[in-house]
Amino acid sequence: DAKTTQPPSMDCAEGRAANLPCNHSTISGNEYVYWYRQIHSQGPQYIIHGLKNNETNEMASLIITEDRKSSTLILPHATLRDTAVYYCIVRLPSGSARQLTFGSGTQLTVLP
Amino acid sequence: ETGVTQSPTHLIKTRGQQVTLRCSSQSGHNTVSWYQQALGQGPQFIFQYYREEENGRGNFPPRFSGLQFPNYSSELNVNALELDDSALYLCASRAGLDATEAFFGQGTRLTVV
Repeated sequence: DAKTTQPPSMDCAEGRAANLPCNHSTISGNEYVYWYRQIHSQGPQYIIHGLKNNETNEMASLIITEDRKSSTLILPHATLRDTAVYYCIVRLPSGSARQLTFGSGTQLTVLP
Repeated sequence: ETGVTQSPTHLIKTRGQQVTLRCSSQSGHNTVSWYQQALGQGPQFIFQYYREEENGRGNFPPRFSGLQFPNYSSELNVNALELDDSALYLCASRAGLDATEAFFGQGTRLTVV
């Protein structure tokens, strides 16, 4: 699975959009971009995933650049409960033993 | 609440002992993975079980072993505990090998002294 690079930490004001970047310059054509987050003392939680088109769900939006070498997770109106470590993961979508390979992630702190 | 439950939530063991951690997967999920998360690190894949068979393994020694039962619940066993085994152990279940989303439990915090 391709390696990802994320900033170690970011701050965001409550109510503002949080934009979390991820670089995955070695991504291959059939690898998806996944985002998970981990709130303190809890297990990771799936947020969203995508291949090349932008995706949106009730939690977030995922913007993938045209060359697919980077992506941005957008939390449109961050709340204090969004404070967590956010992990960007690149992997094949299915089959056999395709585990999640977590990096160090980005610690997002939402400030009141 | 993901429907994945792990027990116990916290555990303290002595170096050299053996430990068994348990995971009850979400209803209908036949694929269970185990991860180790050291303090300040991302989770690291230990192994995965699919329909009672080990279906992939990360870079962990053989003293880390597991089981999956017919009801798809799972156990992680660690023998000859070392101080570096102190970590949060996470279980994740999926609805199948092709399922997109993994649902994680709250984890078991193991401390080896």
